[in-house]
Amino acid sequence: SYELTQPPSVSVSPGQTARITCSGDALSKKYASWYQRRSGQAPVMVIFDDKKRPSGIPERFSGSSSGTMATLTISGAQAADEGDYFCYSTDISGYQGVFGGGTKLTVL
Amino acid sequence: QVRLVQSGAEERKPGASVTVSCKTSGYSFTFYFIHWVRQAPGQGLEWMAVINPSDGRATYSQKFQDRLTVTADTSTSTVFLAMSTLRPDDTGVYFCAKVGGIVVEPPAIGSLDSWGQGTQVTVSS
Repeated sequence: SYELTQPPSVSVSPGQTARITCSGDALSKKYASWYQRRSGQAPVMVIFDDKKRPSGIPERFSGSSSGTMATLTISGAQAADEGDYFCYSTDISGYQGVFGGGTKLTVL
Repeated sequence: QVRLVQSGAEERKPGASVTVSCKTSGYSFTFYFIHWVRQAPGQGLEWMAVINPSDGRATYSQKFQDRLTVTADTSTSTVFLAMSTLRPDDTGVYFCAKVGGIVVEPPAIGSLDSWGQGTQVTVSS
């Protein structure tokens, strides 16, 4: 079955730039979206269609995609940004959704 | 505003079945697909299924297609997830989520812009 691969953890100091990658063969043809999940809360979408930011999401969140890799960038990371981040996309057919394994972001 | 409100926590024994509901409001129910996603303890998000509320057609993850039924009730703008033959590793939090764009095909594409609060399902003997 199709998989999306993320690093298990990323750690940055406050104010630094955090980059979380998501790799998958179909990403060159399918959009990725990104979700933040804090403990005990429902996921929140922070990026959709590779690089679009929903209203209400801070400008420090941005997305990009090149080839088979999508990247979530948090510029000037804050303690409030800590949590688990998941990418979502589909297999090449578009009939099977898939999440990446998740990346735990630590800001300290 | 858009709201997705899920039913409360459930406890079941192995081999039993469970149904979780997701009542939506604040938008045109039949225009937007609804997905189901779960998260087991210590694990990541797992995509389970998507339904087109306008015609009731559901597409399932190959992992769950034998045990899962997703339906939609347009009269109450509610989507249901029914899972049978539960196992202890089905324990987790189950979420419904609305797609951010108008219904398009294929069904699993799109982004999930609004989520329910989650429903804890515990399977234990």
